[in-house]
Amino acid sequence: EDKVVQSPLSLVVHEGDTVTLNCSYEVTNFRSLLWYKQEKKAPTFLFMLTSSGIEKKSGRLSSILDKKELFSILNITATQTGDSAVYLCAGTGTASKLTFGTGTRLQVTL
Amino acid sequence: NAGVMQNPRHLVRRRGQEARLRCSPMKGHSHVYWYRQLPEEGLKFMVYLQKENIIDESGMPKERFSAEFPKEGPSILRIQQVVRGDSAAYFCASSPRRQRGVSGSSHEQYFGPGTRLTVT
Repeated sequence: EDKVVQSPLSLVVHEGDTVTLNCSYEVTNFRSLLWYKQEKKAPTFLFMLTSSGIEKKSGRLSSILDKKELFSILNITATQTGDSAVYLCAGTGTASKLTFGTGTRLQVTL
Repeated sequence: NAGVMQNPRHLVRRRGQEARLRCSPMKGHSHVYWYRQLPEEGLKFMVYLQKENIIDESGMPKERFSAEFPKEGPSILRIQQVVRGDSAAYFCASSPRRQRGVSGSSHEQYFGPGTRLTVT
C-alpha cells in the first residue's frame, strides 16, 4: 500500500524565521510529488515535482525532490503570519490518485 | 476561469437518510477525483472518474457509497443510509485531460471548497 509520511507534525515559529517541511514517500510506479496548503478549506496547489534535484520556486516558497532517497522538502523563507496553515504532501503514480500524508501544521507567531 | 465548484458547502442529514454531493470540475478538466477528510486525519482517496466512466474506485467503501460523472452535468457522490461515521469533509478535485504527444503529467489536481457532511 502506498504511504506518505510528513514531519514534523506541527511547528511553531516566529515571523521572519525560515522553515523546512519534510515528506517521505513510498508510492508504486511513482510519477509526481505534490505540495498543497490547506487553511480550513480547500487544499491550494503549490508545487508538482517530477524530476530529482530541480528546485521549484514561487516567491518565498521552494521545493525539491530526491527520487533516490524518496524524499521532498518544502522551504518557506521569511515566514509571515499568513503562512500559518496545514501543508500537505501527496504522491501519485500511474494510478493517478493522490496519496496524502497527514500534513504539517505550521503556526507563525508575531 | 472558475475553479472547482462543490455544493452544498454544508449538509446535515439524520442517520438513515441519503446524502448527495455535487462537483463541477474546472472548465476544460475531464478528470474528477473524490477524497474524504475525517476529523484530524489526512485526505483519503475515494474514487476517480472520467465522463461516464469510473476509472478507479479502490478507495470507496463497498456498501452505501456510489459515484457518477454523467455526460452532462456535475459529478455526484451519493451516500445512502448515512451513519455518524460518514461525518467528514468531502473534497472533489479535477485535472485536465492528458493530451497525446504532450510531455508532462496530468496529475496536477485542483480542489474544490469541499462539502462538510454532518450526520446527526
